[in-house]
Amino acid sequence: QKEVEQDPGPLSVPEGAIVSLNCTYSNSAFQYFMWYRQYSRKGPELLMYTYSSGNKEDGRFTAQVDKSSKYISLFIRDSQPSDSATYLCAMKGNTPLVFGKGTRLSVIA
Amino acid sequence: DAGITQSPRHKVTETGTPVTLRCHQTENHRYMYWYRQDPGHGLRLIHYSYGVKDTDKGEVSDGYSVSRSKTEDFLLTLESATSSQTSVYFCAISEFGQQGANTGELFFGEGSRLTVL
Repeated sequence: QKEVEQDPGPLSVPEGAIVSLNCTYSNSAFQYFMWYRQYSRKGPELLMYTYSSGNKEDGRFTAQVDKSSKYISLFIRDSQPSDSATYLCAMKGNTPLVFGKGTRLSVIA
Repeated sequence: DAGITQSPRHKVTETGTPVTLRCHQTENHRYMYWYRQDPGHGLRLIHYSYGVKDTDKGEVSDGYSVSRSKTEDFLLTLESATSSQTSVYFCAISEFGQQGANTGELFFGEGSRLTVL
């Protein structure tokens, strides 16, 4: 079993939709949970991070962590064409970052 | 944007030839990394550096070597390129090391697209 599993998509939604992106993991030592966004032909950039369990909100983006289920989510409200990108989850404990494979999202105007 | 420059941005080469990719940073960060990104595999760590002349292997280090003679430069060398090394290579830097109680936030360059024929 891979440490981090992420559905690669692609996911295509209409503008204004609520998007849910998810990852599962197996290592209970993970404490830091991050979402990176990668535009086409660019490097990934950190979008949000959460420490331990709970929710974190930043504008239209909400990150959720459920450590009991080993499941993390990123919600995008009122999605925009500019949100079209690949979203990679990443997580760590006192160990190097482990990345999911990324989910490609397309928001259609 | 973090000051990270990768060169070359695109390269086509033939099997068996040596290739060197360069990463240059202006942030004075101690930690530097080389990743490769492939469809179906995501980002995989090749090598990383935790200081000048201090390097270590990642999960896919076979066929690659690295060198860091200055804080700002981290070189990735393919001694004899193979078609399986066709990939997009990303350099990343971080202020804090990955082995610690921190997010390990990485700042990535724009990537170097390598094709080995």
